[in-house]
Amino acid sequence: GNSVTQMEGPVTLSEEAFLTINCTYTATGYPSLFWYVQYPGEGLQLLLKATKADDKGSNKGFEATYRKETTSFHLEKGSVQVSDSAVYFCALSSNAGGTSYGKLTFGQGTILTVHP
Amino acid sequence: GAGVSQSPSNKVTEKGKDVELRCDPISGHTALYWYRQSLGQGLEFLIYFQGNSAPDKSGLPSDRFSAERTGGSVSTLTIQRTQQEDSAVYLCASSLALTGTSGGAGELFFGEGSRLTVL
Repeated sequence: GNSVTQMEGPVTLSEEAFLTINCTYTATGYPSLFWYVQYPGEGLQLLLKATKADDKGSNKGFEATYRKETTSFHLEKGSVQVSDSAVYFCALSSNAGGTSYGKLTFGQGTILTVHP
Repeated sequence: GAGVSQSPSNKVTEKGKDVELRCDPISGHTALYWYRQSLGQGLEFLIYFQGNSAPDKSGLPSDRFSAERTGGSVSTLTIQRTQQEDSAVYLCASSLALTGTSGGAGELFFGEGSRLTVL
């Protein structure tokens, strides 16, 4: 079956530090990959996505590249801000059989805290 | 508002009681999903609706769990004879209809969740 393994947290950084959150996956077919973010007191939001190998998703200074050879989708940001403090979830949507929908398999989540 | 709305935001109940959780999706979104977020299990898929039908209910953990959707809009998740292990945050999400392998796959819009505590 499908699974997502995510770097365990919590992660604590100072403002302007470099961020990496590791994510690896196991899936059948050709999955689409996502990072969702949950800010305090808010619902999950899509941060970025990639739908095929070597695609790079990017948003709000965050980037992740779909690496089929290493089955990874690591999240990176060059300079974090206090406002980036949140829980980050890596997820996949398998489209085996040619049809995909929102049945996502999530990683466990990584809590990021950024201090001034 | 324009987002996914869930109610109640918090529910405390006694073991053995039935509970209903409601989800009002974004207008025009034909796909609706229920997920559960708990400390031990992370985020788990429960059920998917396309319109009023549920082509995938594989994540419902037992027959005490059921869900329905009426008018292609509001959905209700019902848990009968609640147990302590049902304590979790129940998340609803909606999206536009998805078919094929388009890049729209997985772009779900989530509500803030209903936190259920079973005493």
